[in-house]
Amino acid sequence: AQTVTQSQPEMSVQEAETVTLSCTYDTSESDYYLFWYKQPPSRQMILVIRQEAYKQQNATENRFSVNFQKAAKSFSLKISDSQLGDAAMYFCAYRSEQGGSEKLVFGKGTKLTVNP
Amino acid sequence: GAVVSQHPSRVICKSGTSVKIECRSLDFQATTMFWYRQFPKKSLMLMATSNEGSKATYEQGVEKDKFLINHASLTLSTLTVTSAHPEDSSFYICSARIAGGPKQYFGPGTRLTVT
Repeated sequence: AQTVTQSQPEMSVQEAETVTLSCTYDTSESDYYLFWYKQPPSRQMILVIRQEAYKQQNATENRFSVNFQKAAKSFSLKISDSQLGDAAMYFCAYRSEQGGSEKLVFGKGTKLTVNP
Repeated sequence: GAVVSQHPSRVICKSGTSVKIECRSLDFQATTMFWYRQFPKKSLMLMATSNEGSKATYEQGVEKDKFLINHASLTLSTLTVTSAHPEDSSFYICSARIAGGPKQYFGPGTRLTVT
C-alpha cells in the first residue's frame, strides 16, 4: 500500500520569505499523481498544486512550486513571498493511476504559521 | 466552477439516533464521490468511495452497516451515520471527481457531535 510521510508537523515563516514543506512517499507504481492541499481554519480543502509522475518538469502555480524527485520519491512544496493568508495546514497526497483506484492517500499534514 | 456543498455544516445528535449528511456537486456531474473522516488536528482518512448507481466501496475497518452511503444521482451522495455514538463525533468531508478528470473537489465538511 502507498504511504505518504510529512516529517514536519509544524513550520513557521516570516511574511515575504520562502518556506519549503517536505513530503516523501512510498510506492511501487510508475504512474500516479501527487497533490498539495491547503486546509485553512475554515476546514475547506483547497488544491494548491498537482504533479503528474510522468512529467519531469516541476509544477508551478504562481508563488507555489514543487520539487519533484521521482527516484527519491520526494515531493516538496515551496511557497515564495509568503503571505499571512498562506497560514494553514498543508497536506501532501498521492493518487494511483493504476488498477482503477482513485482514492487519495494523505500525509499527516504540516501546520504552517506565517509571522508578520 | 466545480463547487461541492455539504449539508448540514454542523449537527448535534443524541446517542442512538441516526444522522444523514448530504454531499452535492453543484455545477458538474460526479461519477465518483469520496467520504473522509478527520479527527481534530489529524489527517483525512478515506472511509469509502461512492460510485453513482452502485454500492460503495468501503475502506478496511469502516463498518458498512454503520456508515450507510447512497449515491443515487450524479450530483448527490449521502452518508448516514446509524445509531450514532459519541466516538462517531468527528469532521466528515466529502469530495467529488469529474468523470475523466484527476482532480477531486472537496466540500466544506460537516461537524458531527454526538451527545
